[in-house]
Amino acid sequence: SQQGEEDPQALSIQEGENATMNCSYKTSINNLQWYRQNSGRGLVHLILIRSNEREKHSGRLRVTLDTSKKSSSLLITASRAADTASYFCATALNAGNNRKLIWGLGTSLAVNP
Amino acid sequence: DAGVIQSPRHEVTEMGQEVTLRCKPISGHNSLFWYRQTMMRGLELLIYFNNNVPIDDSGMPEDRFSAKMPNASFSTLKIQPSEPRDSAVYFCASSFWGQTALPFNQPQHFGDGTRLSIL
Repeated sequence: SQQGEEDPQALSIQEGENATMNCSYKTSINNLQWYRQNSGRGLVHLILIRSNEREKHSGRLRVTLDTSKKSSSLLITASRAADTASYFCATALNAGNNRKLIWGLGTSLAVNP
Repeated sequence: DAGVIQSPRHEVTEMGQEVTLRCKPISGHNSLFWYRQTMMRGLELLIYFNNNVPIDDSGMPEDRFSAKMPNASFSTLKIQPSEPRDSAVYFCASSFWGQTALPFNQPQHFGDGTRLSIL
């Protein structure tokens, strides 16, 4: 399996509920980034969390990072129909000459009104 | 402020033709990335530039692909000759790295992509 795998692949919830998406990775990272992609559009950056951070918030978004488990979660509270999108995690590796940003395949979130 | 601008938004062409995708990064950004997105492989980084210099092109699939950045405000990705398996959405993204910053330590700003279909 590849670095930066999101789980679940698809999630369907009702408006007002919370949505949690997870991202697992394999090697040590420098930072982990979450992005949103609406259908037919480019990716939009949500939150960047560095390897020495454990939690970050932005509005209704909360991101946690557990480097011991090599995993991160994105929580969207009080979801809205406008949150319907695909969500991607990307892990940044900065080790000597091995510098990569590796993307997962995404979680497709549907928020039903 | 204008975001990353890509053109064309859609391109349909026949196999064997040359395809040129264009990107204008956000003014002031000094790094530019070209990605390809497909359902099967997800988002793949093809090449990235810093201060107009190509840094890593290891993601470019074949010699048929080439990218240039002649100045800070323009980049092209060219496919010649094109093949049906090149059909995908191609994204350009930009960001700003300070002199001592490591790559990929800053958020990337994406354009809306070019949907390429090779018949």
